[in-house]
Amino acid sequence: KNEVEQSPQNLTAQEGEFITINCSYSVGISALHWLQQHPGGGIVSLFMLSSGKKKHGRLIATINIQEKHSSLHITASHPRDSAVYICAASNTGNQFYFGTGTSLTVIP
Amino acid sequence: GAGVSQSPRYKVAKRGQDVALRCDPISGHVSLFWYQQALGQGPEFLTYFQNEAQLDKSGLPSDRFFAERPEGSVSTLKIQRTQQEDSAVYLCASSFTGSYGYTFGSGTRLTVV
Repeated sequence: KNEVEQSPQNLTAQEGEFITINCSYSVGISALHWLQQHPGGGIVSLFMLSSGKKKHGRLIATINIQEKHSSLHITASHPRDSAVYICAASNTGNQFYFGTGTSLTVIP
Repeated sequence: GAGVSQSPRYKVAKRGQDVALRCDPISGHVSLFWYQQALGQGPEFLTYFQNEAQLDKSGLPSDRFFAERPEGSVSTLKIQRTQQEDSAVYLCASSFTGSYGYTFGSGTRLTVV
């Protein structure tokens, strides 16, 4: 069993839809990260959070420490949001545990 | 530069060849990580440096893999006697400290033929 599980694995949405990607983790963490990886392979760090909720533009990330669960929401999705979204948990030892990613395709 | 720079961007190696992958972190970033990402998978941790000290190398898959960061800035991941299963994207990330966000490089795509 992976330390970090994401769902769904693949997601196709119509432009404008509200999107949710879920992440559950089983390890003790100091922070939970949401990353975006485009087809060229480059990874962009979207959020790093240890409690509550963060918002950046149309992206919202939430975390529930008690339930060991985090969600990434995209409001008013757009084709340029198409990418792989990766959840990662880091511990105080700076070791990262990555989910296998959610491949999002937004259709115009 | 403004970001984490990795080179080469692509590398094709013949089986048995040695390769060296370079990571240039953001200036001043103390922490540096190497990850291996196989096709369709999430990144897997390889090793972690704090300045020049390699604090964790538990993710290195075999003794053919070696990483160094001699002056606490640029890091090199070396793979000796490459095998086909080494084909993957090798990602480098750096951070000022563990409390700050991490910046990833674009990766080096290694193909062993």
